[in-house]
Amino acid sequence: GESVGLHLPTLSVQEGDNSIINCAYSNSASDYFIWYKQESGKGPQFIIDIRSNMDKRQGQRVTVLLNKTVKHLSLQIAATQPGDSAVYFCAENPGGSYKLIFGSGTRLLVRP
Amino acid sequence: DVKVTQSSRYLVKRTGEKVFLECVQDMDHENMFWYRQDPGLGLRLIYFSYDVKMKEKGDIPEGYSVSREKKERFSLILESASTNQTSMYLCASSPVGTGGSKLFFGSGTQLSVL
Repeated sequence: GESVGLHLPTLSVQEGDNSIINCAYSNSASDYFIWYKQESGKGPQFIIDIRSNMDKRQGQRVTVLLNKTVKHLSLQIAATQPGDSAVYFCAENPGGSYKLIFGSGTRLLVRP
Repeated sequence: DVKVTQSSRYLVKRTGEKVFLECVQDMDHENMFWYRQDPGLGLRLIYFSYDVKMKEKGDIPEGYSVSREKKERFSLILESASTNQTSMYLCASSPVGTGGSKLFFGSGTQLSVL
């Protein structure tokens, strides 16, 4: 079936380095993609989104890249900080549906 | 500060019990959702509601029901709890026009069924 997946379950980076979290999606009908951050003991928090008519979108210290040719989504975090330690989920919305499809998550660990 | 509030952070129930999980949002959002989160499986949609008294099945509705009598409140009901319903339950809401996308989540209820 259609699904959203992640390449790496755990990513460890040095504080101050850039982080890249990857995600593959399989539903070609998806036109909207979202990244969520979930800290321990909290619910997921919206980080950034991108529509399928865009290749790149930037926020504060975060950038999302979308490659529709290979159905790949990535989240880049610049100058990673200890507060960035969390589980990151990508999600896709196939055609404005209420049913958001989540990936299984990547844990980001920031080494001091 | 806007928020989605889930009534319990931890719950322990016995097999066969009827369980109520409550969720309240103060953002006047039309859409509300119940997800469960299990290790390695990500978030899976149980039910959602796009208006008062309206409900739609998600991907895993079996064993659950929901109630939305007021706009701000969305309840998840486990009619007869089973051990395979031990999980983290997350409530979320979203404003009209965003569908299931820009979700605002509560902190979750960790339910253990013994």
